[in-house]
Amino acid sequence: DAKTTQPTSMDCAEGRAANLPCNHSTISGNEYVYWYRQIHSQGPQYIIHGLKNNETNEMASLIITEDRKSSTLILPHATLRDTAVYYCIVNARMGGSQGNLIFGKGTKLSVKP
Amino acid sequence: NAGVTQTPKFRVLKTGQSMTLLCAQDMNHEYMYWYRQDPGMGLRLIHYSVGEGTTAKGEVPDGYNVSRLKKQNFLLGLESAAPSQTSVYFCASSYSGTANTLGLDTQYFGPGTRLTVL
Repeated sequence: DAKTTQPTSMDCAEGRAANLPCNHSTISGNEYVYWYRQIHSQGPQYIIHGLKNNETNEMASLIITEDRKSSTLILPHATLRDTAVYYCIVNARMGGSQGNLIFGKGTKLSVKP
Repeated sequence: NAGVTQTPKFRVLKTGQSMTLLCAQDMNHEYMYWYRQDPGMGLRLIHYSVGEGTTAKGEVPDGYNVSRLKKQNFLLGLESAAPSQTSVYFCASSYSGTANTLGLDTQYFGPGTRLTVL
Protein backbone atom coordinates (compact mmCIF):
# COMPACT_ATOMS: atom_id res chain seq x y z
CA ASP A 1 0.00 0.00 0.00
CA ALA A 2 1.18 3.50 -0.78
CA LYS A 3 2.32 5.69 2.07
CA THR A 4 2.41 9.45 2.40
CA THR A 5 4.92 11.89 3.83
CA GLN A 6 3.88 15.28 5.15
CA PRO A 7 5.64 18.00 7.13
CA THR A 8 4.87 17.83 10.82
CA SER A 9 3.73 21.43 11.10
CA MET A 10 3.28 24.64 9.13
CA ASP A 11 2.29 28.21 9.88
CA CYS A 12 0.25 30.52 7.68
CA ALA A 13 -0.83 34.13 8.03
CA GLU A 14 -4.55 34.77 8.09
CA GLY A 15 -5.86 35.74 4.66
CA ARG A 16 -2.92 34.24 2.83
CA ALA A 17 -2.90 31.00 0.86
CA ALA A 18 -1.89 27.87 2.74
CA ASN A 19 -0.03 25.33 0.61
CA LEU A 20 0.26 21.90 2.23
CA PRO A 21 2.57 19.43 0.46
CA CYS A 22 2.35 15.65 0.44
CA ASN A 23 4.66 13.02 -1.05
CA HIS A 24 3.23 9.70 -2.19
CA SER A 25 5.98 8.33 -4.40
CA THR A 26 4.73 4.72 -4.35
CA ILE A 27 1.14 5.48 -5.29
CA SER A 28 -0.47 2.97 -7.61
CA GLY A 29 -2.18 3.89 -10.85
CA ASN A 30 -5.70 3.34 -9.50
CA GLU A 31 -5.21 4.98 -6.11
CA TYR A 32 -6.81 8.31 -5.34
CA VAL A 33 -5.34 11.06 -3.19
CA TYR A 34 -7.61 12.25 -0.38
CA TRP A 35 -7.34 15.13 2.03
CA TYR A 36 -9.11 15.24 5.36
CA ARG A 37 -8.66 17.62 8.25
CA GLN A 38 -9.30 17.34 11.95
CA ILE A 39 -10.06 20.40 14.00
CA HIS A 40 -9.16 19.96 17.64
CA SER A 41 -11.28 17.33 19.41
CA GLN A 42 -13.62 16.89 16.44
CA GLY A 43 -14.05 14.05 13.98
CA PRO A 44 -12.09 14.23 10.71
CA GLN A 45 -13.71 16.17 7.88
CA TYR A 46 -13.40 15.38 4.17
CA ILE A 47 -11.90 18.19 2.09
CA ILE A 48 -11.17 16.99 -1.42
CA HIS A 49 -9.85 14.11 -3.46
CA GLY A 50 -8.44 13.45 -6.93
CA LEU A 51 -6.86 10.88 -9.21
CA LYS A 52 -4.59 12.75 -11.60
CA ASN A 53 -6.28 15.97 -12.62
CA ASN A 54 -6.29 19.09 -10.50
CA GLU A 55 -9.47 19.50 -8.50
CA THR A 56 -11.22 22.45 -6.89
CA ASN A 57 -14.23 22.73 -4.64
CA GLU A 58 -15.62 25.31 -2.24
CA MET A 59 -13.08 24.42 0.42
CA ALA A 60 -9.79 23.95 -1.39
CA SER A 61 -7.81 23.10 -4.50
CA LEU A 62 -5.78 19.97 -5.06
CA ILE A 63 -2.78 20.02 -7.35
CA ILE A 64 -1.36 16.61 -8.32
CA THR A 65 1.95 16.42 -10.17
CA GLU A 66 2.00 14.79 -13.55
CA ASP A 67 3.91 11.77 -12.25
CA ARG A 68 1.43 11.59 -9.32
CA LYS A 69 4.25 11.24 -6.82
CA SER A 70 3.25 14.33 -4.90
CA SER A 71 0.39 16.72 -4.40
CA THR A 72 -0.40 20.05 -2.78
CA LEU A 73 -3.54 21.09 -0.96
CA ILE A 74 -4.23 24.79 -1.31
CA LEU A 75 -6.49 26.77 1.01
CA PRO A 76 -6.74 30.02 -0.97
CA HIS A 77 -7.54 32.41 1.88
CA ALA A 78 -6.77 30.79 5.20
CA THR A 79 -8.78 31.82 8.25
CA LEU A 80 -8.25 31.12 11.94
CA ARG A 81 -10.91 28.39 11.68
CA ASP A 82 -8.66 26.50 9.26
CA THR A 83 -6.24 25.73 12.08
CA ALA A 84 -6.28 21.92 12.16
CA VAL A 85 -4.34 18.77 11.42
CA TYR A 86 -4.46 17.99 7.71
CA TYR A 87 -4.18 14.39 6.55
CA CYS A 88 -3.08 13.35 3.08
CA ILE A 89 -4.23 9.81 2.37
CA VAL A 90 -4.14 7.46 -0.58
CA ASN A 91 -6.96 4.96 -0.86
CA ALA A 92 -5.38 1.83 0.52
CA ARG A 93 -6.33 -1.78 0.79
CA MET A 94 -5.01 -3.66 3.80
CA GLY A 95 -5.52 -7.38 3.79
CA GLY A 96 -9.18 -7.89 3.04
CA SER A 97 -10.13 -4.37 3.94
CA GLN A 98 -12.08 -2.21 1.59
CA GLY A 99 -12.24 1.54 1.78
CA ASN A 100 -9.73 1.63 4.61
CA LEU A 101 -8.24 5.08 5.05
CA ILE A 102 -4.78 4.94 6.57
CA PHE A 103 -4.27 8.11 8.57
CA GLY A 104 -0.69 9.13 9.28
CA LYS A 105 0.24 11.92 11.66
CA GLY A 106 -0.67 14.66 9.21
CA THR A 107 0.43 18.30 9.13
CA LYS A 108 -0.58 20.60 11.93
CA LEU A 109 -1.48 23.90 10.25
CA SER A 110 -1.55 26.95 12.49
CA VAL A 111 -3.17 30.03 10.98
CA LYS A 112 -1.99 33.15 12.77
CA PRO A 113 -3.58 36.62 12.88
CA ASN B 1 -29.97 15.24 8.52
CA ALA B 2 -28.02 14.50 11.68
CA GLY B 3 -25.24 12.73 9.75
CA VAL B 4 -23.24 10.43 12.02
CA THR B 5 -23.98 10.48 15.74
CA GLN B 6 -22.21 8.69 18.57
CA THR B 7 -23.38 7.74 22.03
CA PRO B 8 -22.09 8.41 24.67
CA LYS B 9 -19.77 11.40 24.29
CA PHE B 10 -17.75 10.59 27.39
CA ARG B 11 -17.36 7.53 29.60
CA VAL B 12 -15.12 6.39 32.43
CA LEU B 13 -14.80 2.67 33.09
CA LYS B 14 -12.96 0.55 35.58
CA THR B 15 -10.70 -2.24 34.37
CA GLY B 16 -12.76 -5.32 33.57
CA GLN B 17 -16.06 -3.52 33.00
CA SER B 18 -17.91 -3.81 29.75
CA MET B 19 -19.67 -1.26 27.61
CA THR B 20 -21.12 -0.66 24.16
CA LEU B 21 -20.58 2.39 21.98
CA LEU B 22 -23.38 3.20 19.57
CA CYS B 23 -22.95 4.77 16.15
CA ALA B 24 -25.93 5.83 14.06
CA GLN B 25 -26.11 7.32 10.57
CA ASP B 26 -29.08 8.63 8.63
CA MET B 27 -27.47 8.85 5.18
CA ASN B 28 -28.39 5.31 4.07
CA HIS B 29 -24.70 4.43 3.83
CA GLU B 30 -23.65 0.84 3.29
CA TYR B 31 -20.21 1.06 4.88
CA MET B 32 -19.50 1.87 8.50
CA TYR B 33 -16.22 2.02 10.42
CA TRP B 34 -14.86 2.25 13.96
CA TYR B 35 -11.52 3.99 14.52
CA ARG B 36 -9.53 4.81 17.62
CA GLN B 37 -7.22 7.78 18.04
CA ASP B 38 -4.51 7.99 20.66
CA PRO B 39 -2.65 11.19 21.61
CA GLY B 40 -0.33 12.44 18.86
CA MET B 41 -1.33 9.67 16.50
CA GLY B 42 -3.52 9.27 13.49
CA LEU B 43 -6.66 7.17 13.41
CA ARG B 44 -6.44 3.39 13.38
CA LEU B 45 -9.20 1.18 12.06
CA ILE B 46 -10.66 -1.27 14.59
CA HIS B 47 -13.51 -2.95 12.69
CA TYR B 48 -15.66 -2.11 9.72
CA SER B 49 -18.82 -3.28 8.00
CA VAL B 50 -19.68 -3.36 4.30
CA GLY B 51 -23.39 -3.84 4.89
CA GLU B 52 -26.12 -4.89 7.28
CA GLY B 53 -25.25 -8.17 8.97
CA THR B 54 -21.57 -8.10 7.99
CA THR B 55 -18.46 -7.12 9.93
CA ALA B 56 -14.73 -7.44 9.38
CA LYS B 57 -11.51 -6.81 11.30
CA GLY B 58 -9.41 -3.75 10.76
CA GLU B 59 -5.90 -2.92 11.89
CA VAL B 60 -6.39 -3.18 15.69
CA PRO B 61 -9.39 -5.46 16.40
CA ASP B 62 -8.20 -7.24 19.55
CA GLY B 63 -10.33 -6.60 22.63
CA TYR B 64 -13.31 -5.30 20.64
CA ASN B 65 -16.41 -6.80 19.07
CA VAL B 66 -18.91 -5.22 16.71
CA SER B 67 -22.38 -5.82 15.37
CA ARG B 68 -24.40 -4.37 12.49
CA LEU B 69 -27.92 -5.68 13.00
CA LYS B 70 -29.48 -2.64 11.33
CA LYS B 71 -28.09 -0.75 8.37
CA GLN B 72 -28.10 2.56 10.21
CA ASN B 73 -26.40 1.34 13.39
CA PHE B 74 -22.91 0.03 14.12
CA LEU B 75 -22.12 -1.05 17.69
CA LEU B 76 -18.65 -1.35 19.22
CA GLY B 77 -18.36 -3.50 22.33
CA LEU B 78 -15.65 -3.80 24.94
CA GLU B 79 -16.20 -7.01 26.88
CA SER B 80 -13.50 -6.47 29.50
CA ALA B 81 -12.05 -2.98 29.37
CA ALA B 82 -8.31 -2.43 29.84
CA PRO B 83 -6.35 0.80 30.44
CA SER B 84 -4.79 0.35 26.98
CA GLN B 85 -8.24 0.98 25.52
CA THR B 86 -8.29 4.53 26.85
CA SER B 87 -8.73 6.50 23.67
CA VAL B 88 -11.04 8.61 21.55
CA TYR B 89 -13.28 6.48 19.37
CA PHE B 90 -14.62 7.72 16.06
CA CYS B 91 -17.29 6.17 13.95
CA ALA B 92 -17.59 6.87 10.22
CA SER B 93 -19.78 5.86 7.33
CA SER B 94 -19.59 5.95 3.54
CA TYR B 95 -21.85 5.08 0.63
CA SER B 96 -19.29 2.69 -0.83
CA GLY B 97 -15.73 1.53 -0.26
CA THR B 98 -14.46 1.87 -3.79
CA ALA B 99 -12.61 4.98 -4.82
CA ASN B 100 -14.09 6.86 -7.75
CA THR B 101 -14.38 10.35 -9.10
CA LEU B 102 -17.82 10.78 -7.59
CA GLY B 103 -16.39 10.42 -4.11
CA LEU B 104 -18.90 7.80 -3.09
CA ASP B 105 -16.30 6.38 -0.74
CA THR B 106 -15.98 9.66 1.16
CA GLN B 107 -16.14 8.89 4.85
CA TYR B 108 -18.24 11.04 7.18
CA PHE B 109 -17.20 11.01 10.80
CA GLY B 110 -19.06 11.34 14.06
CA PRO B 111 -17.99 13.67 16.89
CA GLY B 112 -16.20 10.95 18.85
CA THR B 113 -16.47 9.21 22.22
CA ARG B 114 -13.82 9.87 24.85
CA LEU B 115 -13.26 6.70 26.87
CA THR B 116 -11.08 6.46 29.95
CA VAL B 117 -10.36 3.10 31.54
CA LEU B 118 -8.97 3.28 35.06
